[in-house]
Amino acid sequence: AQKITQTQPGMFVQEKEAVTLDCTYDTSDQSYGLFWYKQPSSGEMIFLIYQGSYDEQNATEGRYSLNFQKARKSANLVISASQLGDSAMYFCAMLPPGGANSKLTFGKGITLSVRP
Amino acid sequence: GAGVSQTPSNKVTEKGKYVELRCDPISGHTALYWYRQSLGQGPEFLIYFQGTGAADDSGLPNDRFFAVRPEGSVSTLKIQRTERGDSAVYLCASSYGTGPTYEQYFGPGTRLTVT
Repeated sequence: AQKITQTQPGMFVQEKEAVTLDCTYDTSDQSYGLFWYKQPSSGEMIFLIYQGSYDEQNATEGRYSLNFQKARKSANLVISASQLGDSAMYFCAMLPPGGANSKLTFGKGITLSVRP
Repeated sequence: GAGVSQTPSNKVTEKGKYVELRCDPISGHTALYWYRQSLGQGPEFLIYFQGTGAADDSGLPNDRFFAVRPEGSVSTLKIQRTERGDSAVYLCASSYGTGPTYEQYFGPGTRLTVT
């Protein structure tokens, strides 16, 4: 079984600064995928970034990067140059082997507030 | 192109009533997923379709919950004899079913309130 742990309390960051959102996971699978989603107050889940367990380089997508440390089973999201629109809930999720034939397992999420 | 759409956006019903929640996936996506999100929690898996068939329904909480996807596109989640504990946001997602990332695209959700 897969488990995602997000334990940070609400996070605050000053506009234009960088912030790291923590995610640890537990799985016995060797092949898996890790995702981060953003959920603003409107409720829609917005895909941000993906990291495959066999990817040798950390994933990056614009201002988002994923600090993947496989041995520590962590997949932290780094947001650079925070913007007011980054204020939202952020969820880390895992996809086990099977890809599209599998379900996402989500963590409880972290609330990020960006201060002007 | 159009994203995943869900209707209604909000549904208020009385305990014991029957409800249907609809999901219209992205055109061409063969895989469709239903999740349920309770307040302050991450989404939890309910059921997954590949084409018309339910490939995994292990997340459905009990036999009051049922979902169909008769033509491999639109899906309907059906809840019989609703209970107050069914109140949550029901999220639908779709994906191509192939590809390197298997990214799931989510709809805006249906907020169900059982009074």
